[in-house]
Amino acid sequence: EAQVTQNPRYLITVTGKKLTVTCSQNMNHEYMSWYRQDPGLGLRQIYYSMNVEVTDKGDVPEGYKVSRKEKRNFPLILESPSPNQTSLYFCASSLDGPGPGQGVVSYGYTFGSGTRLTVV
Amino acid sequence: AQKVTQAQTEISVVEKEDVTLDCVYETRDTTYYLFWYKQPPSGELVFLIRRNSFDEQNEISGRYSWNFQKSTSSFNFTITASQVVDSAVYFCALSEGAFRGKLIFGQGTELSVKP
Repeated sequence: EAQVTQNPRYLITVTGKKLTVTCSQNMNHEYMSWYRQDPGLGLRQIYYSMNVEVTDKGDVPEGYKVSRKEKRNFPLILESPSPNQTSLYFCASSLDGPGPGQGVVSYGYTFGSGTRLTVV
Repeated sequence: AQKVTQAQTEISVVEKEDVTLDCVYETRDTTYYLFWYKQPPSGELVFLIRRNSFDEQNEISGRYSWNFQKSTSSFNFTITASQVVDSAVYFCALSEGAFRGKLIFGQGTELSVKP
């Protein structure tokens, strides 16, 4: 089954204790991304990756790190979590590709089931 | 700058009513893509539709229909004969051709369909 798998689904941690949320996709997608969802703020992009070893900041990258060593995996790392990082996190992947001219044809993201993180 | 606005924060209807969710976008690109996603109470994000900027044809899928109007920068979503199972948060999103992988979401509209 084609899917994006992120783990864990729920996590409660303490301030300052490093954690990693894993994300894996089995669709051979080039693009992967992390979002956080907060009440009243909608979904905001944290980081995204266009291919192996190619990552870029989204709108709210502060306090997060990512890596893309393999095409299928895109872990989200919180080196020193703080309470303001309590949120619902989504990993996503997309089969964007070259389009007309220099543009990219965007097929939209397929999302994982979400990770609810609480930092106390 | 790219932006997506969903002015309706919450909508409540009675089952079988038609309901339209508004989405207004801003972009400087001539090539862009618009999306709608559904987030039911279980929390997952479900892809509903994708529309290219160069294809203004409206689309109908069962009880769902989408009205794309470049002249007003809108991509509205209508549910006909709503059902309780349609209760969810609906997000409109924009991806510009020049920003690979960057998908910007609106704030979402929470739809409540009462029996």
